[in-house]
Amino acid sequence: TQLLEQSPQFLSIQEGENLTVYCNSSSVFSSLQWYRQEPGEGPVLLVTVVTGGEVKKLKRLTFQFGDARKDSSLHITAAQPGDTGLYLCAGAGSYQLTFGKGTKLSVIP
Amino acid sequence: EAQVTQNPRYLITVTGKKLTVTCSQNMNHEYMSWYRQDPGLGLRQIYYSMNVEVTDKGDVPEGYKVSRKEKRNFPLILESPSPNQTSLYFCASSPDGLSGNTIYFGEGSWLTVV
Repeated sequence: TQLLEQSPQFLSIQEGENLTVYCNSSSVFSSLQWYRQEPGEGPVLLVTVVTGGEVKKLKRLTFQFGDARKDSSLHITAAQPGDTGLYLCAGAGSYQLTFGKGTKLSVIP
Repeated sequence: EAQVTQNPRYLITVTGKKLTVTCSQNMNHEYMSWYRQDPGLGLRQIYYSMNVEVTDKGDVPEGYKVSRKEKRNFPLILESPSPNQTSLYFCASSPDGLSGNTIYFGEGSWLTVV
């Protein structure tokens, strides 16, 4: 079973601060996905990165896929209380999705 | 509206009493999958299906069965539930496999086995 290590597990920051969440694996995935999950709801896909070294931006969120396609990072600039939630990375094979354990982010107004 | 619908959303049952959690998608997706989410363990894949009548085990298939008799439905069957199957279950679908495709998750089914 491939494993994805996500860090930090918990993060509590003040509104306006920047933060980075990391997702690391010893295995290569065909693509890596980032999700956000609200309490009582299913995960919602934020982005998929496919190419080593790829960088994608989604408003204040920047996603990066490592050159070797084994690691990824999510950087949030000027965090807002609305960014609060559980962030999950997931490595995708053809038919199987392996999730990290998630980073629970709290942004304090 | 494109969606993945799970039922029931909440269920408390007793050990050994067979139950089925239904999952239905209205997007004509070929791929469907079941996950369970547990504190400290994250989301783990139980079973997946690449198309009608084609299913395969995920990482934690023990104690579960699935069937895919028609494209839109992918029920999860617990023949003899045990307390360690108490969890939050998610069904998901995507057009055709995972690579490069958006995966849609249902809202989850909270299952408690006493």
